[in-house]
Amino acid sequence: AQTVTQSQPEMSVQEAETVTLSCTYDTSESDYYLFWYKQPPSRQMILVIRQEAYKQQNATENRFSVNFQKAAKSFSLKISDSQLGDAAMYFCAYRTLNYGQNFVFGPGTRLSVLP
Amino acid sequence: DAGVTQSPTHLIKTRGQQVTLRCSPKSGHDTVSWYQQALGQGPQFIFQYYEEEERQRGNFPDRFSGHQFPNYSSELNVNALLLGDSALYLCASSLAMTSGNNEQFFGPGTRLTVL
Repeated sequence: AQTVTQSQPEMSVQEAETVTLSCTYDTSESDYYLFWYKQPPSRQMILVIRQEAYKQQNATENRFSVNFQKAAKSFSLKISDSQLGDAAMYFCAYRTLNYGQNFVFGPGTRLSVLP
Repeated sequence: DAGVTQSPTHLIKTRGQQVTLRCSPKSGHDTVSWYQQALGQGPQFIFQYYEEEERQRGNFPDRFSGHQFPNYSSELNVNALLLGDSALYLCASSLAMTSGNNEQFFGPGTRLTVL
């Protein structure tokens, strides 16, 4: 079974600065997807960024980028030019390509953005 | 285009009671997955419904059951409620595909409190 670990329960960053959230996972599969989801106090899970394991190039979405190290099973999220609206719980998630394709989530990192 | 909707928003029950939570998938989606998110934790997969049948199930007891209707909406039923069932219940919808990048869209969740 796959597992996802986020070793930073809480992080804080100054507005306009850069922060990196860590995620490691364990799997015996060679192909899969990795995701970062944001959950603000409104509780709605919002997709931040997605990475296909077969792609070597790191995904980027505006101020959000990932550092995907497949051999190390590491998938960190970098947020540049942090904004107050980035404050939320961030979940790293793994999804198999197999039947069902449901997510395995990490325990989350609570990000605070300081003005 | 309405996204994933869930009802009710909040619910309070007592131990031993039964509860039904409802989910309407995003327009065009035919697959519904349910997750339990305990306070301060990541979501845990309960089960997934496709073509009105349970297709995959996580590590949850038989007290948790579900149903999918011909219009693809879904219900989650929990019998003999325990204090530990208190959580945010998330519904996610997607298109059934044997492989590929079929993103799951999450609803805002139902907050269940068991007293």
